[in-house]
Amino acid sequence: EVQLVQSGAEVKKPGESLKISCKGSGYSFTSYWIGWVRQMPGKGLEWMGIIYPGDSDTRYSPSFQGQVTISADKSISTAYLQWSSLKASDTAMYYCAIRLRPYYFDYWGQGTLVTVSS
Amino acid sequence: SYVLTQPPSVSVAPGKTARITCGGNNIGSKSVHWYQQKPGQAPVLVIYYDSDRPSGIPERFSGSNSGNTATLTISRVEAGDEADYYCQVWDSSSDLWVFGGGTKLTVL
Repeated sequence: EVQLVQSGAEVKKPGESLKISCKGSGYSFTSYWIGWVRQMPGKGLEWMGIIYPGDSDTRYSPSFQGQVTISADKSISTAYLQWSSLKASDTAMYYCAIRLRPYYFDYWGQGTLVTVSS
Repeated sequence: SYVLTQPPSVSVAPGKTARITCGGNNIGSKSVHWYQQKPGQAPVLVIYYDSDRPSGIPERFSGSNSGNTATLTISRVEAGDEADYYCQVWDSSSDLWVFGGGTKLTVL
């Protein structure tokens, strides 16, 4: 069974750094793209970017390029989304999702809520 | 950049048919995928490649795509279908994934 399990909720202050995770299981982690999607409070889904863990090939939405870093550690079947300096506007639910076939997300993680507040 | 337009809300009585549209320039030339998101839950894929259903999704859910509009159709709507629905495409010209703004389906 394909599963994506994300790290727990985070509460951070503006300017702090953060790295959230998404652990895949039940499939070949290095063979399929994993994407990240943001959902701000009460708003819709926004595609942030996607990574191929096999060779770390990464694509970003222009809206998020330079704002976040997507990475993966294939030795532990885990993808990451990180910020070097959080802003209040980064407050949102973040989902990881797996692309088994082009170009849609078959399975989603449960989401990680990030709250940035002074 | 490519834009997908959905109506903010659709209302339907139980047992009736709900149609949720997703508009985009020549969207008929792209593959459209649909996700259902219930309050407090992660999205779930309900239609892929315009009209295919993942296993476990009821046959009441169907999709079509032509011209400038893709449509998600839910037949014999049930109270449990109340959710937000999002369409999504991959824009090959920019290699970007695009989501529609979402439609809130209300079952009266």
